[in-house]
Amino acid sequence: DAGVIQSPRHEVTEMGQEVTLRCKPISGHDYLFWYRQTMMRGLELLIYFNNNVPIDDSGMPEDRFSAKMPNASFSTLKIQPSEPRDSAVYFCASSLFWKGGYTFGSGTRLTVV
Amino acid sequence: EDQVTQSPEALRLQEGESSSLNCSYTVSGLRGLFWYRQDPGKGPEFLFTLYSAGEEKEKERLKATLTKKESFLHITAPKPEDSATYLCAVGTSGSRLTFGEGTQLTVNP
Repeated sequence: DAGVIQSPRHEVTEMGQEVTLRCKPISGHDYLFWYRQTMMRGLELLIYFNNNVPIDDSGMPEDRFSAKMPNASFSTLKIQPSEPRDSAVYFCASSLFWKGGYTFGSGTRLTVV
Repeated sequence: EDQVTQSPEALRLQEGESSSLNCSYTVSGLRGLFWYRQDPGKGPEFLFTLYSAGEEKEKERLKATLTKKESFLHITAPKPEDSATYLCAVGTSGSRLTFGEGTQLTVNP
């Protein structure tokens, strides 16, 4: 398996623009997580899905952030409009149940200027 | 609120110099404690899961232990390739993990 695949690897955008981050989880995994990592706050859980259904979105910072999982093999995290404080590395992770630990993607480094 | 604190923030060792990293936690109902390794520019890589006090897990030069309030990651005779940030996380309600800030380990040859 190719692991969790995220795209793009790097994104530079101007403040106010819409940004869409993409994730393909490992086939057969039933949990998908979106995390954000910054120097100041470390790794923060934004939202997670179980069997394509959003379970907990309490970590989503505000209404500018939205996430979808239309099927078992694809998820998106959208920021509209983007702001400089959204600059971070965004990770997607998937797992089968959660006991085995998550498998993380390589992340998307987002810079909003 | 679940809290995870890792210490030290940074650790510099000479090759072969054994040491331990600490992860202390305050949670309501621990379902599992996880250790991950993160290399620069990459996502965290799963190492271990510990479920109950007294449990130990080993992998090459790494050994993780768990008590009721903390976990230790022991590194025996480290090599430069062990240099990375080591993250601890606790699993509590639902399926969410709460991560600590990490310990940045540097092993000099």
